[in-house]
Amino acid sequence: DAGVTQSPTHLIKTRGQQVTLRCSPISGHKSVSWYQQVLGQGPQFIFQYYEKEERGRGNFPDRFSARQFPNYSSELNVNALLLGDSALYLCASRIGEGQGSYNEQFFGPGTRLTVL
Amino acid sequence: DQQVKQNSPSLSVQEGRISILNCDYTNSMFDYFLWYKKYPAEGPTFLISISSIKDKNEDGRFTVFLNKSAKHLSLHIVPSQPGDSAVYFCAASAINDMRFGAGTRLTVKP
Repeated sequence: DAGVTQSPTHLIKTRGQQVTLRCSPISGHKSVSWYQQVLGQGPQFIFQYYEKEERGRGNFPDRFSARQFPNYSSELNVNALLLGDSALYLCASRIGEGQGSYNEQFFGPGTRLTVL
Repeated sequence: DQQVKQNSPSLSVQEGRISILNCDYTNSMFDYFLWYKKYPAEGPTFLISISSIKDKNEDGRFTVFLNKSAKHLSLHIVPSQPGDSAVYFCAASAINDMRFGAGTRLTVKP
């Protein structure tokens, strides 16, 4: 079975540009979450989507947006890129909402974004 | 806001000995706690979890302890193996929110 997949693997952008990152969850998983991991820190929660609706949002500016499609894949968009947006962006999927041993979160390998 | 803290950036232990990784949290709304393991160029991999209604959960060589009054959890690995060398993240979860610590790099020496 395929795990969570993300594209692209690496991306280089310049300040002020816009970027779209993509995520395909594990088959059967309806919830997708996005995280930003800056070097030397743990992942920081950006968004959670479930059944195409936003269910949770972390402390990120409005330049960050996301959506989930009918096939449960998801896109993360970041506008007006800043140097500080350089990070590894992780997508994770789970079967549904809630938490528990039945609903563990599986992470993709991430997209490495570099903003110059 | 660092609601989850791992105060030891690194830990080195001898093969066969116990590894103890620690984690503290501040938000009493967290009710589910997890440990993830991360190798370079991979996303975090789920290792073990514990609900706030328990104080201990075991899975093979891995045991997680939760002290709710102290807002502290720990991961014990016994016996440690060289393949356990990785970065370990603790995470605390509430509905639709999950916060991670900064990670502890564990090195297990043969």
